[in-house]
Amino acid sequence: GAVVSQHPSWVICKSGTSVKIECRSLDFQATTMFWYRQFPKQSLMLMATSNEGSKATYEQGVEKDKFLINHASLTLSTLTVTSAHPEDSSFYICSALPPQARLNQPQHFGDGTRLSIL
Amino acid sequence: GENVEQHPSTLSVQEGDSAVIKCTYSDSASNYFPWYKQELGKRPQLIIDIRSNVGEKKDQRIAVTLNKTAKHFSLHITETQPEDSAVYFCAATATFKLTFGTGTRLQVTL
Repeated sequence: GAVVSQHPSWVICKSGTSVKIECRSLDFQATTMFWYRQFPKQSLMLMATSNEGSKATYEQGVEKDKFLINHASLTLSTLTVTSAHPEDSSFYICSALPPQARLNQPQHFGDGTRLSIL
Repeated sequence: GENVEQHPSTLSVQEGDSAVIKCTYSDSASNYFPWYKQELGKRPQLIIDIRSNVGEKKDQRIAVTLNKTAKHFSLHITETQPEDSAVYFCAATATFKLTFGTGTRLQVTL
């Protein structure tokens, strides 16, 4: 149980393109999903918290107009990197929590999406 | 906000030896401390976690200790094997938002 699927797993595109990444909870409903970014050989940095039916909460320094997050259903959150540039190239990973999640419960991570902008 | 420091950044041990990775955190309200193993290009996988009401937890070759007073926690891997080679991240949280340490690249040599 507690499977989180992320799609696509790898995307290469030209500079200026917008890229959408999907995060799905396959066997549970997730009211809260988190989006992380991980640059090569670095740690995971939380970008934003995605709440079903409401606006995402962005961490300091993350441009909300650059990274659009939509959490329209209890099983799907999407991250759109708008007008992507080479510096946006990174590994993007989502995680999800079920509705009854209590504090001190582990998060379930997706497989991640490797984004390469040429 | 929370700040988590992790040491060492790289660690090389011989197969069969023990490995210890240490983390310190800044927010005294943090009460959940998971450890993740990440292989190249893959998702972080939870290997063990500890809550603030417990000082030590063990799962086969892996153990975690927590010192709330000093605000530090450690991962201990005994009888290391080549498949333990990976990057290990500690994390801390008082809510649902995880703050990760900078990671430790563990290399287990034959």
